[in-house]
Amino acid sequence: NAGVIQTPRHKVTGKGQEATLWCEPISGHSAVFWYRQTIVQGLEFLTYFRNQAPIDDSGMPKERFSAQMPNQSHSTLKIQSTQPQDSAVYLCASSLADQAPLFGEGTRLSVL
Amino acid sequence: GQQVQQSPTSLVLQEGENAELQCNFSTSLNSMQWFYQRPGGSLISVFYNPSGTKQSGRLTSTTVIKERRSSLHISSSQITDSGTYLCAMNYNQGKLIFGQGTKLSIKP
Repeated sequence: NAGVIQTPRHKVTGKGQEATLWCEPISGHSAVFWYRQTIVQGLEFLTYFRNQAPIDDSGMPKERFSAQMPNQSHSTLKIQSTQPQDSAVYLCASSLADQAPLFGEGTRLSVL
Repeated sequence: GQQVQQSPTSLVLQEGENAELQCNFSTSLNSMQWFYQRPGGSLISVFYNPSGTKQSGRLTSTTVIKERRSSLHISSSQITDSGTYLCAMNYNQGKLIFGQGTKLSIKP
């Protein structure tokens, strides 16, 4: 089992460009979570899916951010018109129902 | 909103000393989790839903649900224990609210 796979590991974008981050959850896990980590804010919840359905996106910025889970094998986090303040490590996690979430290595996004 | 407070923010110890990390929660708690993270590394679960006292090697977690607090004790610290320890409360079906973490540095 390869664990939660996130790609790319690092992404550099110019201000105003779009960034798409990918997450492949552990096979069989029903829940997928997205978090963002910065030095200033720490770890912040963004959104999560259960059985591919969006359950809670209360942590997602209202503009420019969107997440999808088109099938059980991957989820994407898309940031439109990236801004320098979007620079962060974006972490994906998956879990079985009522079990501890397992985290991926993260994608480090740098917006220049 | 829900808050998770960790203390201390940072801790520097000599190898062999014991470390005590604290976590306090602002709201009633269903379950919580301790994580370990190396700089630039992923989050590794250390303890999950550790009500009461649980031990794993040199690590011991003590959680008192009704008092909304948890502690992580590391005995006989080693240089490889250095990193950031985060606690998180499980809020609403798996959503985690994290503390700011304790950065632990073990010196030789």
